Amino acid sequence: DIQMTQSPSTVSASVGDRVTITCRASQSIVAWVAWYQQKPGKAPKLLMYKASNLESGVPSRFSGSVYGTEFTLTISSLQPDDFATYYCQQYSTSLWTFGQGTKVEIK
Amino acid sequence: QVQLQESGPGLVRPSQTLSLTCTVSSVSISSGDFYWSWLRQPPGKGLEWIGYIYSSGTTSYNPSLESRVTISLDTSNNQFSLKLNSVAAADTAVYYCARRTAVRALDLWGQGTLVTVSS
Repeated sequence: DIQMTQSPSTVSASVGDRVTITCRASQSIVAWVAWYQQKPGKAPKLLMYKASNLESGVPSRFSGSVYGTEFTLTISSLQPDDFATYYCQQYSTSLWTFGQGTKVEIK
Repeated sequence: QVQLQESGPGLVRPSQTLSLTCTVSSVSISSGDFYWSWLRQPPGKGLEWIGYIYSSGTTSYNPSLESRVTISLDTSNNQFSLKLNSVAAADTAVYYCARRTAVRALDLWGQGTLVTVSS
C-alpha cells in the first residue's frame, strides 16, 4: 500500500495568512494526488486534482505543487470560508489512500 | 446537474449485512469513463476508500475489506449498491458514494449517510 503522510495535523491561522499543507507519499506516484476540503457534517469537496490542477469553481487562492514524492496544498490568503479539514489522496494505484487530514482552525 | 444520493438503513445489527444504494441523476452509470465509488468515515476520523465499480461492471475493492464487500450496478434504476457483510461496531461510519473520473479523482460526492452498528 502507498502511505500518504500528511502534516501538520492542525494549523492555527488568521484570515489573510498563507497556509501550507504537505503530503509525502511512501513511493513514487507521479502526480496522481488530489486535495479535498471537508467541513463538519458535509461531504468532502474536490479542490485540486493531478497535483496542481484547480477544480472548476475553486478560488484561485488555492494551489498545488509537487516535488518528488512531496505534495503541497497552499492557500495564499486564508479566508473565513477556508476554515475546514483538508485531505490529500493518492490515486496512482488501484488501492486509493488518504492522508490523515489537516484541520485549519482560527488562531 | 449530476447528483448522487445515498439511501439505506441507519442501524444495522452486529454480524448482519449493511446494504446501501446510491442513486445517480443526470448521467447514465453505464456509460462514460467513470468509477462509481464507496467510501466511509468513522466518527471523528479520516476517510477510507471501500471500493468502486467501473461503468463496464469491473470492480476493485480495498484489500482490508475485500472478503466482506460487494459493489454492484443496477442500470435499470441508475443506481449502484454496497453490501458489507458480517458487520461489527468498527464498521460504524458515515458512508459516502462518489464518482471518480479518469483524471479528476473524486469529483462528485453524495451527502453521506450515517450507519451505526449496534444491537
